Amino acid sequence: GQNIDQPTEMTATEGAIVQINCTYQTSGFNGLFWYQQHAGEAPTFLSYNVLDGLEEKGRFSSFLSRSKGYSYLLLKELQMKDSASYLCAVREGNRLAFGKGNQVVVIP
Amino acid sequence: SAVISQKPSRDICQRGTSLTIQCQVDSQVTMMFWYRQQPGQSLTLIATANQGSEATYESGFVIDKFPISRPNLTFSTLTVSNMSPEDSSIYLCSVREGTNGYTFGSGTRLTVV
Repeated sequence: GQNIDQPTEMTATEGAIVQINCTYQTSGFNGLFWYQQHAGEAPTFLSYNVLDGLEEKGRFSSFLSRSKGYSYLLLKELQMKDSASYLCAVREGNRLAFGKGNQVVVIP
Repeated sequence: SAVISQKPSRDICQRGTSLTIQCQVDSQVTMMFWYRQQPGQSLTLIATANQGSEATYESGFVIDKFPISRPNLTFSTLTVSNMSPEDSSIYLCSVREGTNGYTFGSGTRLTVV
């Protein structure tokens, strides 16, 4: 099984940087995904980590430490359109198990 | 990435009835999944839809309540049977593409009254 924990909500100012954390416990780790979900829409893929370290993709970066069961998503130069829920998901075999998600609200 | 068409996009149903949700993919995919997202919550995997065999259900979900069909590599249906208000949720299908990609349909917003 798995246990995935994320904080629930944060507010940040346009142009700022936010870090969203995700801790997990799983019996079979096979990668960690970050998804963005706007209200009423499908989740969209942001990043994937399977090895320890930092993956950078434009304004978004994701970090993984397998030994600590920990990942974070870093959002830089926040824009209003970044207001959304951010979900981490651990892959076990072919299945994805999602955390509760973290709601980010960007204010001017 | 694959394009997923899911319908209906929303429905309001009477308790005790059933609703079948369809998921059509524009390419052949091996793995298809069905998720539920209750209001304000994250996604919970219901089952993996296997082509040519019975779906594999997660703990807490049973075939009688959520029968699934997967007649070919581009299509699947999920039925929510004998609905109650507790079944009000968003239901999403998802496909796995290649090694690491998972794409989601736009979801079906179900309200049971």
